[in-house]
Amino acid sequence: TQLLEQSPQFLSIQEGENLTVYCNSSSVFSSLQWYRQEPGEGPVLLVTVVTGGEVKKLKRLTFQFGDARKDSSLHITAAQTGDTGLYLCAGRGPSGTYKYIFGTGTRLKVLA
Amino acid sequence: NAGVTQTPKFRVLKTGQSMTLLCAQDMNHEYMYWYRQDPGMGLRLIHYSVGEGTTAKGEVPDGYNVSRLKKQNFLLGLESAAPSQTSVYFCASSYSLSGGLTDTQYFGPGTRLTVL
Repeated sequence: TQLLEQSPQFLSIQEGENLTVYCNSSSVFSSLQWYRQEPGEGPVLLVTVVTGGEVKKLKRLTFQFGDARKDSSLHITAAQTGDTGLYLCAGRGPSGTYKYIFGTGTRLKVLA
Repeated sequence: NAGVTQTPKFRVLKTGQSMTLLCAQDMNHEYMYWYRQDPGMGLRLIHYSVGEGTTAKGEVPDGYNVSRLKKQNFLLGLESAAPSQTSVYFCASSYSLSGGLTDTQYFGPGTRLTVL
């Protein structure tokens, strides 16, 4: 069974601080996605990384896929209150499968 | 476009009752998914479908059944509800690009189900 562990589980920081969220597994994924979920809503896709070592930037958010495609990180620079939410990583199995395994989630609260 | 819609938004059941959750998408997507979300456990895949008339089991299929008679609809049924099925249920849909590696799943707003 593939598992995706996220750390930390909870994070409360002041506006302007930097943070990193980790997503780790012992399994190899063909691609990995990061989602953000607001209260009362479904998750919304932020980014997809496919190649080992790939780095993608989305404004103040930087996503990295591990070289072995078993782990990923999300770094937020100068966090804002609007970054508050639940962050989920999701790994896709070998090519040809349609199933995604979601991580346990990191709940981020950015204080003004 | 409405995207992905779910009916109902909230429901309270008694143990042993049955119900069906409806998911509808207007994006002509081939793939549809049902997940449940519980505190501290992220999203877990219940069942999924890769096309009209086809369904497959996910991680936690026991106690649930699904049907995809029309491409735009994906139904999730609970035949005999149990308190362990208290959860928030999300439906998602996607279409396949580049071998599926970069698919975007579009999620509905969720159904909050409580089983007493």
